[in-house]
Amino acid sequence: KAGVTQTPRYLIKTRGQQVTLSCSPISGHRSVSWYQQTPGQGLQFLFEYFSETQRNKGNFPGRFSGRQFSNSRSEMNVSTLELGDSALYLCASTVGGNYGYTFGSGTRLTVV
Amino acid sequence: GESVGLHLPTLSVQEGDNSIINCAYSNSASDYFIWYKQESGKGPQFIIDIRSNMDKRQGQRVTVLLNKTVKHLSLQIAATQPGDSAVYFCAENSESSGGSNYKLTFGKGTLLTVNP
Repeated sequence: KAGVTQTPRYLIKTRGQQVTLSCSPISGHRSVSWYQQTPGQGLQFLFEYFSETQRNKGNFPGRFSGRQFSNSRSEMNVSTLELGDSALYLCASTVGGNYGYTFGSGTRLTVV
Repeated sequence: GESVGLHLPTLSVQEGDNSIINCAYSNSASDYFIWYKQESGKGPQFIIDIRSNMDKRQGQRVTVLLNKTVKHLSLQIAATQPGDSAVYFCAENSESSGGSNYKLTFGKGTLLTVNP
């Protein structure tokens, strides 16, 4: 079966702009989580959605937001981009329980 | 605070040798642990997981050991191959009081290099 699909794979944006990233989970998976990966901070949790509800949120500013649709697909949005937002953004899905997180290949965001 | 850390940032081994990658965690309430492999340009790939009611779990060429007494996790790779070269992360999942806390806390990773 298809894995977790993230689009686009690469993005280049200018400071001050906003960006929307998309994640399609594995079919049947209702939980979608987002992570930011940078060389300095490693993998950091952004937020998690289940059945269109945000259940958990990491320590990121309000410029980072997300949502989940009824088909479990999820988007995350970053507004007023800063240079420090340059990172690999990863999406992971699971059926919904405390196990089996499968990651996508990520979206590489570069802010210039 | 809660943290998951790796003891060694890099590990270099010869092809055919066994590799051991270590991880320390500080949250004694963690009940689920996962090892991921990440190759350049790719997302983390699940290797093996273990729950806190187990001490050891084996997969194909990989074994995870959990020592809850000292809060230590290790990944053993048997007969390491060049294709095993990657960054390896341990991750923990813990439940906060009053409900489930569906997030993974990752260590900073260990770069494994396998020399032919």
